Amino acid sequence: AQRVTQPEKLLSVFKGAPVELKCNYSYSGSPELFWYVQYSRQRLQLLLRHISRESIKGFTADLNKGETSFHLKKPFAQEEDSAMYYCALMGTSGSRLTFGEGTQLTVNP
Amino acid sequence: GAGVSQSPSNKVTEKGKDVELRCDPISGHTALYWYRQSLGQGLEFLIYFQGNSAPDKSGLPSDRFSAERTGGSVSTLTIQRTQQEDSAVYLCASSPSGANYGYTFGSGTRLTVV
Repeated sequence: AQRVTQPEKLLSVFKGAPVELKCNYSYSGSPELFWYVQYSRQRLQLLLRHISRESIKGFTADLNKGETSFHLKKPFAQEEDSAMYYCALMGTSGSRLTFGEGTQLTVNP
Repeated sequence: GAGVSQSPSNKVTEKGKDVELRCDPISGHTALYWYRQSLGQGLEFLIYFQGNSAPDKSGLPSDRFSAERTGGSVSTLTIQRTQQEDSAVYLCASSPSGANYGYTFGSGTRLTVV
């Protein structure tokens, strides 16, 4: 079975501070990991995916297979980063994503 | 269309009534997914359609829930005899083929059962 855990439901930081949103997964094979973001009154959208090794809006995420983690990081948070963030896992079947419960990030001025 | 379209955007229904939620995926996307988003519950997988293959219904919470996809395009999620615990945002997503490149989500249908 595959499972994604986001231990923090709420996270609050000040503008300019570093931010890390935690994601841990449980899966026996080699997963693909994703981060999705939902800004207020907008639809859920893909932020970044592990396979692309990309940095989007200053966010990066590194897959740590030893710790089974895929934490999302940004060195200097901005107010516009306030949103709900979901971590998601795709198993080797490539059929569907399993999502975590989400972390609501608030960046205070 | 340019994106995934869902209708209605909001639905209020009385307990015990049936509801139908519609999803129009991106043209050419063979994979279509339904999820349910509840406060504190994250995104709960409901059902997945891929091309002409039999759908993966493993996430449907009860036999009151069913979905179909006609002509490999539009999908309808039906909830019979609605209960208050069915209140949630129902999200539809599509992808070109499987989940490899992530999904494109619709804006959702907010269902409230009173």
